[in-house]
Amino acid sequence: DIQMTQSPSSLSASVGDRVTLTCRASQGISNYLAWYQQKPGKVPKLLIYAASTLQSGVPSRFSGSGSGTDFTLTISSLQPEDVASYYCQKYNSAPWTFGQGTKVEIK
Amino acid sequence: EGQLVESGGDLVQPGGSLRLSCATSGFTFSSYWMSWVRQAPGKGLEWVANIKEDGSEKYYVDSVKGRFTISRDNAENSLYLQMNSLGAEDTAVYYCARVTYYYDSSASYGVWGAFDYWGQGTLVTVSS
Repeated sequence: DIQMTQSPSSLSASVGDRVTLTCRASQGISNYLAWYQQKPGKVPKLLIYAASTLQSGVPSRFSGSGSGTDFTLTISSLQPEDVASYYCQKYNSAPWTFGQGTKVEIK
Repeated sequence: EGQLVESGGDLVQPGGSLRLSCATSGFTFSSYWMSWVRQAPGKGLEWVANIKEDGSEKYYVDSVKGRFTISRDNAENSLYLQMNSLGAEDTAVYYCARVTYYYDSSASYGVWGAFDYWGQGTLVTVSS
């Protein structure tokens, strides 16, 4: 099965910083990748699908890129409400594996 | 806007069984793949199972194969997860989720993927 590895596992950044999260697949998955945000105690929320397509209603400071095995989620200007865990997920074929997550905090 | 409401979570003894339900509204349930995703306390998300719109295809994570069964009733707009031979490792919040469908212009075909609507989750605790 394809493994999904996210890095870093956690990060702390200042409000207004540009933040980049990475997700790596152990084999190529084309662009069949989604990113989710889960705030503490809340339900996960879809941010991006097809590696770079922003889900309706998601702020434009979020963007995704990549194809094949390497993907990134970028927050162009970190806001206090972005404190959350972020997960990538592959869906090219079963199992639809999630990465282990990256926890983003405010410095 | 889609709404999903899970129920059925409970405290169950190791080796026991439980059936989760997910009632949906606000979208044409019979036109969507559906999924179950779980999250153990303090841990990350784990995909559990998928089911096709008409129930003809089902997929499971290896750790639940042979123990869990995903099913659906399109007349009732409901999704189910029958869980047998439960162990402590199955303790988690279980979410039902709708699979989104989109057109991949680069590939020139439609794609099922990503979860655009989630329920609030139901807690399953396996303990003696």
